[in-house]
Amino acid sequence: GQQLNQSPQSMFIQEGEDVSMNCTSSSIFNTWLWYKQDPGEGPVLLIALYKAGELTSNGRLTAQFGITRKDSFLNISASIPSDVGIYFCAAMNYGGSQGNLIFGKGTKLSVKP
Amino acid sequence: DAGVIQSPRHEVTEMGQEVTLRCKPISGHDYLFWYRQTMMRGLELLIYFNNNVPIDDSGMPEDRFSAKMPNASFSTLKIQPSEPRDSAVYFCASSTRQGAMNGYTFGSGTRLTVV
Repeated sequence: GQQLNQSPQSMFIQEGEDVSMNCTSSSIFNTWLWYKQDPGEGPVLLIALYKAGELTSNGRLTAQFGITRKDSFLNISASIPSDVGIYFCAAMNYGGSQGNLIFGKGTKLSVKP
Repeated sequence: DAGVIQSPRHEVTEMGQEVTLRCKPISGHDYLFWYRQTMMRGLELLIYFNNNVPIDDSGMPEDRFSAKMPNASFSTLKIQPSEPRDSAVYFCASSTRQGAMNGYTFGSGTRLTVV
């Protein structure tokens, strides 16, 4: 079946550092999403991308939809302690059948103050 | 809106017991999804409903798992009998068809431990 390969699996960084994570697939998607999951909570949407090559920012977060439509990356600039959590990429072909949103395995981010 | 409401937040049960997880979707959302999250397999879709009708249950692991949606504001996921390998966090999510392009809205999850 379709899979999203997300890397790295975990990151330990110092406060103030920039972070980069990515997600790749062998399948083409028309929608890429990035979620953050805080401990004990459900995933919350951070950024949604709908066009190949699209670059979208949300505060210190920037995400890009790869031009091949098979990948996406997320950057966090100047990390702060509250950035701690698990970041998930997700992808689907919007307009097709529902329930086709698939998730990567997540990147666990730890930030040292 | 209060968001997607799941209960209980935590459930500890003995192997062989029946477990029922509950979900109240966001009012007006006509799609409801049940996901399971484990360290090994990440987030997996178990089943989803549209207008209270199960559409795809291919992700339900075994016959021990069943899900119902008797009305637009309530769904249950039942495991009977439960086994230790069912231990996981179970999420409910909801969406409208148009809103799905922004992904789904997730509840806070139920952490299930089967001992």
